[in-house]
Amino acid sequence: DTGVSQDPRHKITKRGQNVTFRCDPISEHNRLYWYRQTLGQGPEFLTYFQNEAQLEKSRLLSDRFSAERPKGSFSTLEIQRTEQGDSAMYLCASSPHRGRDGELFFGEGSRLTVL
Amino acid sequence: QQPVQSPQAVILREGEDAVINCSSSKALYSVHWYRQKHGEAPVFLMILLKGGEQKGHEKISASFNEKKQQSSLYLTASQLSYSGTYFCGTDLYNQGGKLIFGQGTELSVKP
Repeated sequence: DTGVSQDPRHKITKRGQNVTFRCDPISEHNRLYWYRQTLGQGPEFLTYFQNEAQLEKSRLLSDRFSAERPKGSFSTLEIQRTEQGDSAMYLCASSPHRGRDGELFFGEGSRLTVL
Repeated sequence: QQPVQSPQAVILREGEDAVINCSSSKALYSVHWYRQKHGEAPVFLMILLKGGEQKGHEKISASFNEKKQQSSLYLTASQLSYSGTYFCGTDLYNQGGKLIFGQGTELSVKP
């Protein structure tokens, strides 16, 4: 298994455009998380899934953001009508544990630049 | 609600020791530590659970004072490979991977 993979690694877009990021977690990991990281800051939680169910969304996640995990495997994060403030690294992580404490395996992220 | 890390940055020579602190204003269920090298994904180091259980890295130790809502990460006999930014992540309600991360401590180890 090659770990958590994210695509694309870099995306430059113009303000107002829609973008979609994909995350493929480590197989058999039933939990999948999306975080956002800006320069010089720690990752900020956005949302997470257990299997295909989206269990929680951060208040940071405006209506322009939507995430899905059909069939409980890969996940997509879509940002509609992008704004310059959306520029950040979007990190995906997965976790193998059904229980509540366990390490997160992060992907290398998708860097978004909104012009 | 974001935990506060100190120091913000530290420079060491190989072989020196360092301590990174993480302080929360809220009661914690667990504290998680990650290291992120420039341009790479954060990598798990350690979990410290309420009640004293630890899971993690063999060469790095940490403490968790539940009463003071603080955790410290101890890096001894530092190696060049220890360079990177260290983040603590706090779990308030036993929610596993939903963490609130601190702003990070940048560690540079020089030869």
